[in-house]
Amino acid sequence: DAGVIQSPRHEVTEMGQEVTLRCKPISGHDYLFWYRQTMMRGLELLIYFNNNVPIDDSGMPEDRFSAKMPNASFSTLKIQPSEPRDSAVYFCASRPGTVREQYFGPGTRLTVT
Amino acid sequence: RKEVEQDPGPFNVPEGATVAFNCTYSNSASQSFFWYRQDCRKEPKLLMSVYSSGNEDGRFTAQLNRASQYISLLIRDSKLSDSATYLCVVNAATNAGKSTFGDGTTLTVKP
Repeated sequence: DAGVIQSPRHEVTEMGQEVTLRCKPISGHDYLFWYRQTMMRGLELLIYFNNNVPIDDSGMPEDRFSAKMPNASFSTLKIQPSEPRDSAVYFCASRPGTVREQYFGPGTRLTVT
Repeated sequence: RKEVEQDPGPFNVPEGATVAFNCTYSNSASQSFFWYRQDCRKEPKLLMSVYSSGNEDGRFTAQLNRASQYISLLIRDSKLSDSATYLCVVNAATNAGKSTFGDGTTLTVKP
């Protein structure tokens, strides 16, 4: 299996622009997670899905952030408008329903100038 | 108070040393526990699960103390390749899909 796939790997954008991050989970995994990691705040859970349904979005920082999972093999995290404080590494992770181990993608390194 | 707390370190040890990390968690209903390893500029990867009776995987030993709500990781005969950040992870019984990650403990093993 290819593992969790994220794109793009790096994104540099200007403040105010829309940013869309993409994730393809491992086939057959029921859960999908979006995390953000910064030096100051560590690894933060933003939102997670179970069988394509958002279960807990309490970590989404504000209305500028939105996430969707239209099918079992694809999810997006959108930031609109982006701000410099959104600069971070965004990880997507997935896992099967019966196992607690999460498999992380390589991350998207976002820089907002 | 954070749900999962770790000593951030850094821990700087020579090759061959034994080093231990602790992690405390605040939710007494927590059910499952893990240690992940994260290399610089890489994604976290599972190192080992932590079982109530304690468990060992080669040079790595994990312990759980439910009464005191802490988890430990012991690394024996440390190698240069053990240099990384070690993340403690806790899953609560409620909201079972969610994992809470500690901020990590950084280990540097020097020749």
